[in-house]
Amino acid sequence: NAGVTQTPKFQVLKTGQSMTLQCAQDMNHNSMYWYRQDPGMGLRLIYYSASEGTTDKGEVPNGYNVSRLNKREFSLRLESAAPSQTSVYFCASSVSGTGVAGELFFGEGSRLTVL
Amino acid sequence: GENVEQHPSTLSVQEGDSAVIKCTYSDSASNYFPWYKQELGKRPQLIIDIRSNVGEKKDQRIAVTLNKTAKHFSLHITETQPEDSAVYFCAANEGLRGNNRLAFGKGNQVVVIP
Repeated sequence: NAGVTQTPKFQVLKTGQSMTLQCAQDMNHNSMYWYRQDPGMGLRLIYYSASEGTTDKGEVPNGYNVSRLNKREFSLRLESAAPSQTSVYFCASSVSGTGVAGELFFGEGSRLTVL
Repeated sequence: GENVEQHPSTLSVQEGDSAVIKCTYSDSASNYFPWYKQELGKRPQLIIDIRSNVGEKKDQRIAVTLNKTAKHFSLHITETQPEDSAVYFCAANEGLRGNNRLAFGKGNQVVVIP
């Protein structure tokens, strides 16, 4: 099993450009997440999907959109990138849905720089 | 929503000594409290977790204690080794939302001095 796979690992954008971060998991997990990590700020939830076909905003959703394409894939889109979106983005998944909370499995991260 | 705070932000310990990191949370409905370890340039990985129906859990050199009345939980690392040097994140689920959303603290940098 590959676990949680994110692409791309690195990306440089100019302000105003758009891009999509892709995430896929092969563990048959129900929940998927997108977090961003900034120095001294910990991990902040951008969007969350408890199951295929459902998405919910997290702590910092502004400037982002998501799509839960199927049970395996959860993409994060930046429609018009801003320098404030420079960050490391982590996708994660969990076997839990809306019931008992459980372990999150993280991808390797995607480092995004917006100039 | 849930607010999770960690103290201290940086902790330096001599190899072989113990390290303790404390976290507080705000949501009285939270019932799941994991700890994640993140080595430099790597992804966060779960090292131990505890649910609200127990007060303490141990796994070799690592233990977590939970005080639900005071809304705080702590990570204890005994006999620290250089490979314990990392950033440690505590988290709590947003119990009122009835789902698996986790709110993370800002992290503690632990440095083990050989």
